[in-house]
Amino acid sequence: GQQVMQIPQYQHVQEGEDFTTYCNSSTTLSNIQWYKQRPGGHPVFLIQLVKSGEVKKQKRLTFQFGEAKKNSSLHITATQTTDVGTYFCAGPINTDKLIFGTGTRLQVFP
Amino acid sequence: SQTIHQWPATLVQPVGSPLSLECTVEGTSNPNLYWYRQAAGRGLQLLFYSVGIGQISSEVPQNLSASRPQDRQFILSSKKLLLSDSGFYLCAWSGRATPPYEQYFGPGTRLTVT
Repeated sequence: GQQVMQIPQYQHVQEGEDFTTYCNSSTTLSNIQWYKQRPGGHPVFLIQLVKSGEVKKQKRLTFQFGEAKKNSSLHITATQTTDVGTYFCAGPINTDKLIFGTGTRLQVFP
Repeated sequence: SQTIHQWPATLVQPVGSPLSLECTVEGTSNPNLYWYRQAAGRGLQLLFYSVGIGQISSEVPQNLSASRPQDRQFILSSKKLLLSDSGFYLCAWSGRATPPYEQYFGPGTRLTVT
């Protein structure tokens, strides 16, 4: 079946260091979405990318959708303790549901 | 603006007891509704989704069931809980104007089956 894998599974960084998580789908996606889940909280929608090769930025976060629309990345520049959490990518299986990636848990040490 | 409510926030239930978790959405009509389960430190497992009243799609065979008695109400139930039902249950909604849509999650219910 369709799978969406993320690497790394865990990442510990010192505050101020950069961080990148990679998302890889077994099938071509019409779009890719990114969510953040703070410890003890619920996933929160961050952004959606639709076009092949698309790059979007939100302050220190840079999101990229691969040319083949099968992979994506999230890069955080100069991490802060507020960036702690698990980041999930997600892609549509059909018009009604998403498949979520396995997630990358980010820990930031002050 | 749209809001999504889930209750209770936490629940401790003995094995074999029944379960009923409720989710309601405000500020939108005819949403898609979803139930997910998340084991500790793990990803999101889609359990059920609904595109309309009385329309339920089951993703994983288990002893759970879902119902949608009203447009903005989604209920997750079990007749007899198992230890393996413990987890973080999340309800989510999405709009239907233009697919595929981002999902908005409720605060979740932490269920511990003892």
